[in-house]
Amino acid sequence: EAGVAQSPRYKIIEKRQSVAFWCNPISGHATLYWYQQILGQGPKLLIQFQNNGVVDDSQLPKDRFSAERLKGVDSTLKIQPAKLEDSAVYLCASSLVRGTSRQETQYFGPGTRLLVL
Amino acid sequence: DQQVKQNSPSLSVQEGRISILNCDYTNSMFDYFLWYKKYPAEGPTFLISISSIKDKNEDGRFTVFLNKSAKHLSLHIVPSQPGDSAVYFCAASEGNTGFQKLVFGTGTRLLVSP
Repeated sequence: EAGVAQSPRYKIIEKRQSVAFWCNPISGHATLYWYQQILGQGPKLLIQFQNNGVVDDSQLPKDRFSAERLKGVDSTLKIQPAKLEDSAVYLCASSLVRGTSRQETQYFGPGTRLLVL
Repeated sequence: DQQVKQNSPSLSVQEGRISILNCDYTNSMFDYFLWYKKYPAEGPTFLISISSIKDKNEDGRFTVFLNKSAKHLSLHIVPSQPGDSAVYFCAASEGNTGFQKLVFGTGTRLLVSP
């Protein structure tokens, strides 16, 4: 079974530029998550989708971050414009759950490492 | 406000000995706890979990203990192997949300030497 795919793996941009990350979850997984992991910290949830609907985006800085999950499969996370403090690893995860189970395992992709100069 | 804390940034253990990783939490609404392991350049992988109705869960060499009164959990690895060298994250989720929303600690880097 293929895992969660993310691209690109690395990205270097200058502040005020825009950047987009792509995630392809495990086939059949209804729930998709985007996390931000700043160096020395644990992953922090940015947004959670159930199929193509947003479940939780309370920690997404909506003035510059946006995310979508068209057709309930792939997802893109965009930052526009980027700031220095956005330098982090952006992790995508997916889980199988279609209901409201909170004990479903999340499977993580390898992440995209973003450096904003 | 760090709701999940891992106060030891690193731990070194010899192969064959026990590794004990600790985690404290402040939110009394957390009722499900997980440990993830992360190798460099890879995403975290699920290791073991425990519900608040239990105080121990075991899976092979890995055991998680939960002390609700102290708001503390620990991961025991026995015996430790060099391949266990990784960063370990503790995570927790609340009981009053309909979906799994994980709050992670800052991680503990475990180094198991031969």
